[in-house]
Amino acid sequence: QQQVKQSPQSLIVQKGGISIINCAYENTAFDYFPWYQQFPGKGPALLIAIRPDVSEKKEGRFTISFNKSAKQFSLHIMDSQPGDSATYFCAASSDTGRRALTFGSGTRLQVQP
Amino acid sequence: KAGVTQTPRYLIKTRGQQVTLSCSPISGHRSVSWYQQTPGQGLQFLFEYFSETQRNKGNFPGRFSGRQFSNSRSEMNVSTLELGDSALYLCASSLDSHGGEKLFFGSGTQLSVL
Repeated sequence: QQQVKQSPQSLIVQKGGISIINCAYENTAFDYFPWYQQFPGKGPALLIAIRPDVSEKKEGRFTISFNKSAKQFSLHIMDSQPGDSATYFCAASSDTGRRALTFGSGTRLQVQP
Repeated sequence: KAGVTQTPRYLIKTRGQQVTLSCSPISGHRSVSWYQQTPGQGLQFLFEYFSETQRNKGNFPGRFSGRQFSNSRSEMNVSTLELGDSALYLCASSLDSHGGEKLFFGSGTQLSVL
């Protein structure tokens, strides 16, 4: 029940295209859903996060869509750029362990020029 | 403002040995969390420390331990190393106030167990 399932495992997108990564969770106690971006040799960095009281959050080219009834959330990267090539992780936590994130397995995104 | 600093960057140990990893959080951050990252298991939460006390613990054996000092710096220790402990160990710091769920990760310590 603690799992967060992430797909796809890898993704190749052309420059200017839309990258979409999906996650699903089972634990209904989860109430915080961040996305992290990780470049090789670096630690993950927070990209954007959402709480279940909203269905969508947008920050620049990055948008999270959240479907509470389906227990799913997704990251959309608009106008994908080669600099976006990285591994993306979805995650979730509850108020009993706010910093004890449960991470998805990661999506390796490659944006081709 | 300096980021999260982890030392050493790389470490090679042999089975049965023990290892200590160090983490200096961002100035003003009082919460320090540790994660293990492996290709097979992904990112897994180890534990969180706040005000020198362990506040949360993940599902890892007792060979994995940690501590936090009064200046918020943290160390984690792995005793009786096993081959499966080879991983990138990441430290993350955060505020313990509004917005404290945002974790700032260091670049990690790459541990290889031979």
